[in-house]
Amino acid sequence: EAQVTQNPRYLITVTGKKLTVTCSQNMNHEYMSWYRQDPGLGLRQIYYSMNVEVTDKGDVPEGYKVSRKEKRNFPLILESPSPNQTSLYFCASSFQGPNTEAFFGQGTRLTVV
Amino acid sequence: DQQVKQNSPSLSVQEGRISILNCDYTNSMFDYFLWYKKYPAEGPTFLISISSIKDKNEDGRFTVFLNKSAKHLSLHIVPSQPGDSAVYFCAASGPGDYQLIWGAGTKLIIKP
Repeated sequence: EAQVTQNPRYLITVTGKKLTVTCSQNMNHEYMSWYRQDPGLGLRQIYYSMNVEVTDKGDVPEGYKVSRKEKRNFPLILESPSPNQTSLYFCASSFQGPNTEAFFGQGTRLTVV
Repeated sequence: DQQVKQNSPSLSVQEGRISILNCDYTNSMFDYFLWYKKYPAEGPTFLISISSIKDKNEDGRFTVFLNKSAKHLSLHIVPSQPGDSAVYFCAASGPGDYQLIWGAGTKLIIKP
């Protein structure tokens, strides 16, 4: 089954404790991206990757890191989480770029206390 | 400043009638627009898209209209069904862009 898998689904952590949210897709898609969803703001792009080893900043990259060492995986790293990073996070992949149909993971609800 | 705006946070429509969801944009360079639908506790799913070289695109009950001069697009759902109750997002990108800019979403409620 074609899918994007994010883990964990829910996470509560403390300020400053490094964490990683994993994302994996099994569709051989080139383009992957991370979004955060906040009330009244819709989805905002954090980082995106056009292919292996090629990543770039989206609208809200501060406080986040990503890597794309393999085509299928695109982890999101919060080196020192802060309460303003409490949000709902989505990973997505698409065949080629943002203009092609994107498949989303089920989301990760992160709370930083 | 939001480049893609969905000014109606929610919309309530009777089952069987037409649902019209609106989206405005400010960046005249945008040339591709997409609509996604989102149920609670799930990721968004792709619904329909339109390129700026067209002014209309249809897929079954869903039609998207693009008015470039007004920088406005709308999604029409006819007839509306209970399963259409969801949050609808419009998103846009420009030529050569690898970023997608999203609106804040409109929650559609279909009443029986």
